[in-house]
Amino acid sequence: GQNIDQPTEMTATEGAIVQINCTYQTSGFNGLFWYQQHAGEAPTFLSYNVLDGLEEKGRFSSFLSRSKGYSYLLLKELQMKDSASYLCAVRDRGNTDKLIFGTGTRLQVFP
Amino acid sequence: DSGVTQTPKHLITATGQRVTLRCSPRSGDLSVYWYQQSLDQGLQFLIQYYNGEERAKGNILERFSAQQFPDLHSELNLSSLELGDSALYFCASSPGQSDETQYFGPGTRLLVL
Repeated sequence: GQNIDQPTEMTATEGAIVQINCTYQTSGFNGLFWYQQHAGEAPTFLSYNVLDGLEEKGRFSSFLSRSKGYSYLLLKELQMKDSASYLCAVRDRGNTDKLIFGTGTRLQVFP
Repeated sequence: DSGVTQTPKHLITATGQRVTLRCSPRSGDLSVYWYQQSLDQGLQFLIQYYNGEERAKGNILERFSAQQFPDLHSELNLSSLELGDSALYFCASSPGQSDETQYFGPGTRLLVL
């Protein structure tokens, strides 16, 4: 079956670091995406991992371990504008490569 | 701005009615994807078109249908609307069939009363 798990909510303080975890089980794997979504707005692309390891992009980094079915998104130097939902999505090679989304992690950054 | 456009932004209608949502992909993108996002729910994949042909189907109800036209814009038709169809409907596009990042439009917020 297909299953993607993320924590529902997280809170953090401005300037801090937060790690959002995602575990997945799919019939096939062909890449993992992280998207940011502010309430009522479109998801915007943050990162893509298809090989094991860490991808760094400014304040945001994403890690993948395919053998563990696990990824995390690391946000550094948090800003108030980082308050949003963070969506983990897996491309399921066993299912016409469609993207399977988790329900998202709602992050609140406090001053 | 992702380059994907959707109209209308908001739509209010009654149960039993039929609506059409429209999406124009980014310039050069051949694939269009439709997603539904209900309150506190994840994005649910509905259907994908690639260069005018249906490529993949998700949890799309029989009351819903879509098509992609020769100019690559796409329409999602929702009929016999029910209260539970109230949701945000997003369109995304990508250059090819599957291996690229999908870029999302601003969405259409549908409210069925």
